[in-house]
Amino acid sequence: AQSVTQLGSHVSVSEGALVLLRCNYSSSVPPYLFWYVQYPNQGLQLLLKYTSAATLVKGINGFEAEFKKSETSFHLTKPSAHMSDAAEYFCAVSTGGATNKLIFGTGTLLAVQP
Amino acid sequence: KAGVTQTPRYLIKTRGQQVTLSCSPISGHRSVSWYQQTPGQGLQFLFEYFSETQRNKGNFPGRFSGRQFSNSRSEMNVSTLELGDSALYLCASSDIQGGETQYFGPGTRLLVL
Repeated sequence: AQSVTQLGSHVSVSEGALVLLRCNYSSSVPPYLFWYVQYPNQGLQLLLKYTSAATLVKGINGFEAEFKKSETSFHLTKPSAHMSDAAEYFCAVSTGGATNKLIFGTGTLLAVQP
Repeated sequence: KAGVTQTPRYLIKTRGQQVTLSCSPISGHRSVSWYQQTPGQGLQFLFEYFSETQRNKGNFPGRFSGRQFSNSRSEMNVSTLELGDSALYLCASSDIQGGETQYFGPGTRLLVL
């Protein structure tokens, strides 16, 4: 069975500081991994996706994530936080095959302090 | 291309009633999935449709049902509403099948009183 664990339900950083949001996955087959962002009262917006083409994945808004199979991790980073990055971030896994079903982590709420 | 649209955006119902939510996928997308988001349970998969066929279902009671039409538009129905059904219901569409990126709509916020 697949699962996703996001460590830290709340993360607070200062504007300009490094953002690191942690995600660990469990999957019996090579996974597809995703990071989504949700702003208040909105749906989910795709930040980036891992599909085995490259272990370092670059996404929108300066975010990137590195797939580490040995650590079963897919942590999200951004070198310099901006006030507009304040939102909730979700890591998700899919096995692919004949389904697009996503299993989501519990989310990390990112606060950015001025 | 226009994004995924969901109607209505907000809905208030009372216990025991039923509700139908609608989702129009991105043009050309044939896969539609539904998710329920609540503060307590987070984001949970309800079901997935592809070419009018349900090909995956989450762990929800039979009160939750859905369908997909030939134009790929999808509806989900919840009968005999319970207070715990209050949630944000998100629809997502994707191009084909199998690990494809899902694009989400803005959601329908359902409040059951």
